[in-house]
Amino acid sequence: GESVGLHLPTLSVQEGDNSIINCAYSNSASDYFIWYKQESGKGPQFIIDIRSNMDKRQGQRVTVLLNKTVKHLSLQIAATQPGDSAVYFCAETPEMGKLIFGQGTELSVKP
Amino acid sequence: GAGVSQTPSNKVTEKGKYVELRCDPISGHTALYWYRQSLGQGPEFLIYFQGTGAADDSGLPNDRFFAVRPEGSVSTLKIQRTERGDSAVYLCASSLLAGGSQETQYFGPGTRLLVL
Repeated sequence: GESVGLHLPTLSVQEGDNSIINCAYSNSASDYFIWYKQESGKGPQFIIDIRSNMDKRQGQRVTVLLNKTVKHLSLQIAATQPGDSAVYFCAETPEMGKLIFGQGTELSVKP
Repeated sequence: GAGVSQTPSNKVTEKGKYVELRCDPISGHTALYWYRQSLGQGPEFLIYFQGTGAADDSGLPNDRFFAVRPEGSVSTLKIQRTERGDSAVYLCASSLLAGGSQETQYFGPGTRLLVL
């Protein structure tokens, strides 16, 4: 596994600023990637996904970038709001049916 | 429409006891997944079902853990002789098709298990 303990990386931003959350994935065979948002006491909530034949995908206020050369994903959130405060996980699918989650980043939005 | 639901939301038990955790997937979803999440970490895969059968149970930590989905809808995760290390949030997810590698998995709220 990739777990490294109890202390998540933290990103603190001012309300209205853009946020960028990064993730390194491990398996070159992964062909599908998802970003999830998890608020305290809740299950992961789907935000946006991207397939390996794309390098960028945009949603509402969110953009995911995929760099397969260096096995890197990023999630960009435009005009970050207090309601965006949560832990964000990237996940990859190296094989059918199984999501492998990254460590997670805690986003804190200051009003 | 209704999302994935899980019951109970919280479960406190004593070491050595047996517990059952239930998952109701999104209606019409044929694939169902169980994950376990420890504090401060991402979810870790346990098992997934295509219909009634377990297609991949490679994530189950040992033979104390077992899951069933007898009618291809509701699933139950069963843990025998619970240990303190089993304390975690148990998450269930479902997806529309038969567990392909490019399907979105939608998660329930989880069951928080505490073994004393």
